[in-house]
Amino acid sequence: GNSVTQMEGPVTLSEEAFLTINCTYTATGYPSLFWYVQYPGEGLQLLLKATKADDKGSNKGFEATYRKETTSFHLEKGSVQVSDSAVYFCALSDHRGGSYIPTFGRGTSLIVHP
Amino acid sequence: GAGVSQSPSNKVTEKGKDVELRCDPISGHTALYWYRQSLGQGLEFLIYFQGNSAPDKSGLPSDRFSAERTGGSVSTLTIQRTQQEDSAVYLCASSLNSLETQYFGPGTRLLVL
Repeated sequence: GNSVTQMEGPVTLSEEAFLTINCTYTATGYPSLFWYVQYPGEGLQLLLKATKADDKGSNKGFEATYRKETTSFHLEKGSVQVSDSAVYFCALSDHRGGSYIPTFGRGTSLIVHP
Repeated sequence: GAGVSQSPSNKVTEKGKDVELRCDPISGHTALYWYRQSLGQGLEFLIYFQGNSAPDKSGLPSDRFSAERTGGSVSTLTIQRTQQEDSAVYLCASSLNSLETQYFGPGTRLLVL
């Protein structure tokens, strides 16, 4: 079956530090990959996505590249801000595997200190 | 434009009572999902609808949980004889189809006393 593995949190950084949140996946088909973000007290919302190998999704200074050879979709940001403090979820959606269910990772909490 | 809405936003109930949670997806979205998010936990998939049918109910925790969707739109999640371990935030999401971005509602926070 499909699975998504994210690095355990919380990740604690100082403002302007470089961020990487690792995500690897297992899928039987050719999935689309997503990062969702949940800010404190708010609902989940899409941060970025990539639909095929070597695509790069980007939004709000965050980037992630779809790496088929390493089955990874690591989230990066060059300079984090306090307002980036949130829980980040990596997810995939795979049609060919016969499964129509998007699969989410457990989430990684990011805490950014001033 | 209107997003995904859920009601009620908060529900406090006594153990053993039944509760019904409602989700209004974005108009035109054929796929609808229910998830459960417990404190400090990730997203637990419950059930998925494509149109009015539910191809996968494997995530429902027990036979106390059921869900339906009518008219390819509104969905209700019913929990019978609630238990304290059912306390969680229940999230609904919809998407154009199962491969596309999901749009989440604000959730219903359920507390079973």
